[in-house]
Amino acid sequence: AQKITQTQPGMFVQEKEAVTLDCTYDTSDPSYGLFWYKQPSSGEMIFLIYQGSYDQQNATEGRYSLNFQKARKSANLVISASQLGDSAMYFCAMREYNNDMRFGAGTRLTVKP
Amino acid sequence: EPEVTQTPSHQVTQMGQEVILRCVPISNHLYFYWYRQILGQKVEFLVSFYNNEISEKSEIFDDQFSVERPDGSNFTLKIRSTKLEDSAMYFCAFVRAGDEKLFFGSGTQLSVL
Repeated sequence: AQKITQTQPGMFVQEKEAVTLDCTYDTSDPSYGLFWYKQPSSGEMIFLIYQGSYDQQNATEGRYSLNFQKARKSANLVISASQLGDSAMYFCAMREYNNDMRFGAGTRLTVKP
Repeated sequence: EPEVTQTPSHQVTQMGQEVILRCVPISNHLYFYWYRQILGQKVEFLVSFYNNEISEKSEIFDDQFSVERPDGSNFTLKIRSTKLEDSAMYFCAFVRAGDEKLFFGSGTQLSVL
């Protein structure tokens, strides 16, 4: 069974600094995808970044990068140059091949001015 | 322009009543999903739908729930006899053919009184 763990219920970061949100996962399937979503207070789920299990390089999307350490089964999200608008809930998720996506419990990020 | 339109955005119903939540995809979607999120909690998988039939469902998706794609376009989630604990945000989500990303609709906030 899939299992996603986010150990940080809440994180604070100073504006313009970088922050790392932790995510570990557990799967026996060699083919899977890892995802991060942002959920602002308005409630929508916004896709941020994707990493495939066979991808050799860490994924990057603008200020977002995914620190993928396959042997450790971790997929941490790094947000560089934090902005006030980054304050939100962040969910890590995993999807095994042709399977449904399962989510971690989330991390609430607060960016301080 | 959103990939997925969900209606209604808010639904208030009395306990025991039936509700139907609707999703309308825009482009070519392959897999369809329903997720729910009880306030302040994690996003939970309900059901996945592929080739006009259920491909997987969670333990939450009991006999009170059903899904349909009645006209090949709309994708619906029906709750036959709502309970107080069904109050949650319900998201539909899609995966496009040839893609790995899961895109979410804007959600329907269901309140059962």
